[in-house]
Amino acid sequence: DAKTTQPTSMDCAEGRAANLPCNHSTISGNEYVYWYRQIHSQGPQYIIHGLKNNETNEMASLIITEDRKSSTLILPHATLRDTAVYYCIVREYTDKLIFGTGTRLQVFP
Amino acid sequence: EAGVAQSPRYKIIEKRQSVAFWCNPISGHATLYWYQQILGQGPKLLIQFQNNGVVDDSQLPKDRFSAERLKGVDSTLKIQPAKLEDSAVYLCASSLVSHGPIYEQYFGPGTRLTVT
Repeated sequence: DAKTTQPTSMDCAEGRAANLPCNHSTISGNEYVYWYRQIHSQGPQYIIHGLKNNETNEMASLIITEDRKSSTLILPHATLRDTAVYYCIVREYTDKLIFGTGTRLQVFP
Repeated sequence: EAGVAQSPRYKIIEKRQSVAFWCNPISGHATLYWYQQILGQGPKLLIQFQNNGVVDDSQLPKDRFSAERLKGVDSTLKIQPAKLEDSAVYLCASSLVSHGPIYEQYFGPGTRLTVT
């Protein structure tokens, strides 16, 4: 079973920041937080991952709370192409990826 | 860099028939995965190969599903006989390594199977 809880759906206006929350209250010290997204009719795509510190790459930023029980994926300037299902996954680095049902993000004009 | 290739993209069969899906991973990727994604759910891992050996097939319904990766490159997933509940998208993914914190799986576009 997935170890994370995410809202079922969210909306965001184009050009605004999209903040996608994820709860992982049972996360252990060795587990990383990963984010993937799945655009309609495509396979999932890796976005970012982190352990303790906040992370940023060309796609997004990942903010992990100090107690590591929750995190937020931030898309700083959402575009229509960011409309997708976003999956938050917690895993140890030897484990397989276990996908939940994710958050369906709809970016509107 | 070419991505993960899958074929066919769509397949419609009747129940009790057999079907096969093909996957060609990214060149040099030793690890290959097959996932099943039922509508409205996240992908579920069916089987994981490391080169041509099976690492994890705990979620594969072995009475009807089989998979092989004979030369450690491309792979085939077969269902025989198919059931209505096998209707799903079958995703293939590959990765350079099978574990470690820097761990990114690259997914193909998937094969949408409809069993009638």
